[in-house]
Amino acid sequence: DIQLTQSPSFLSASVGDRVTITCRASQDISSYLAWYQQKPGKAPKVLIYAASTLESGVPSRFSGSGSGTDFTLTISSLQPEDFATYYCQQFNSYVPLTFGGGTKVEIK
Amino acid sequence: QVQLRESGPGLVKPSETLSLTCTVSGYSISSTYYWGWIRQPPGKGLEWIGSIYRSGSTYYNPSLKSRVTISVDTSKNQFSLKLSSVTATDTAVYYCVRGALMVVTARFDCWGLGNLVTVSS
Repeated sequence: DIQLTQSPSFLSASVGDRVTITCRASQDISSYLAWYQQKPGKAPKVLIYAASTLESGVPSRFSGSGSGTDFTLTISSLQPEDFATYYCQQFNSYVPLTFGGGTKVEIK
Repeated sequence: QVQLRESGPGLVKPSETLSLTCTVSGYSISSTYYWGWIRQPPGKGLEWIGSIYRSGSTYYNPSLKSRVTISVDTSKNQFSLKLSSVTATDTAVYYCVRGALMVVTARFDCWGLGNLVTVSS
């Protein structure tokens, strides 16, 4: 199985802050990586796919980068509605598809 | 607008079979895309269970493969999950999802609201 390690697992930030979350794969996954946002009691929502492509309707303050084993999700200016948990997911090896452990972003 | 909705019992007894159905509206499951299930134990992360294509080809998480069956009913525009021999560790919110797989643009772009299934006697 391909393991995805997210860091940090928790971060505290203020509105307007630039936030970066990293996702490291246990082997090369090319650009087969997606990022999701999940708010409490809600289903996850895709933000980024193919490592850096913004899903339609997602604000441009979200961006993704990376390839191979190291990836980042950046929120350029954190907004109140961005406080949530973020997950990465790899699609390079689909048996099984795997998720990172999640990064919870909370208000400082 | 594509919508997915899970249905099924919220309580299942240990050793029994968990059965959930996902009804899709706004899109034909006979078209492109994979359809599948993801679960999330309370307070924990996401686990992919498996996916099925319109052809009936299935892909299962090896950790669950011996207990999982995913099937499609194109006449009802639904797909289903069966998980046998459940234990308390199968307690989770179960999401049905639409996904593009095996392409560089792969992601799960549509999710149901989720169905909490508790395994308890």
